[in-house]
Amino acid sequence: GNSVTQMEGPVTLSEEAFLTINCTYTATGYPSLFWYVQYPGEGLQLLLKATKADDKGSNKGFEATYRKETTSFHLEKGSVQVSDSAVYFCALSGYSGAGSYQLTFGKGTKLSVIP
Amino acid sequence: SAVISQKPSRDICQRGTSLTIQCQVDSQVTMMFWYRQQPGQSLTLIATANQGSEATYESGFVIDKFPISRPNLTFSTLTVSNMSPEDSSIYLCSVLLHTDTQYFGPGTRLTVL
Repeated sequence: GNSVTQMEGPVTLSEEAFLTINCTYTATGYPSLFWYVQYPGEGLQLLLKATKADDKGSNKGFEATYRKETTSFHLEKGSVQVSDSAVYFCALSGYSGAGSYQLTFGKGTKLSVIP
Repeated sequence: SAVISQKPSRDICQRGTSLTIQCQVDSQVTMMFWYRQQPGQSLTLIATANQGSEATYESGFVIDKFPISRPNLTFSTLTVSNMSPEDSSIYLCSVLLHTDTQYFGPGTRLTVL
């Protein structure tokens, strides 16, 4: 079945530091890949997505590139801000062998950015 | 994207009671989903809410405990029945757009005493 593995947290960075959160996946077929963000006390927001190999998703200074050869979709940001403190979830969507649609999540990585 | 609202946003309930959570979306959507997020955990799919037919439940979730209604293409409800403290979680609804992208509501934070 499909699975997503992302780096364990929590991650603590100083403001303006470079961020990488690793995400790898296992899937049949050609899934779409996503990063969602959950700010404290809120629901999940779609941060970015990529639908095919070599696509780069980007939003709010965050980027991730769909790497089929390494089955990865690492999240990066060049300079984090305190307001980026949140939990980040990597996810993939695809269809199971039985034909049902599924969205599979990683366990989440909590990021704390300190001034 | 879509604008999704949930009611209530949070509640504190006594064990043995039931709570119905509403999810409203601002456009017609075919697929709606209900998830549970236990404290500090990732999301677990409870069921897919199908309009005009019964919901499809994931392993470990049953209709008697989590009955779902989907009366039209913009609305769904999830009931958490006969609650226990283990049901304390965030419950989120989502909708599927663009064939592969889910958008989530703000969640309902449930505490069971």
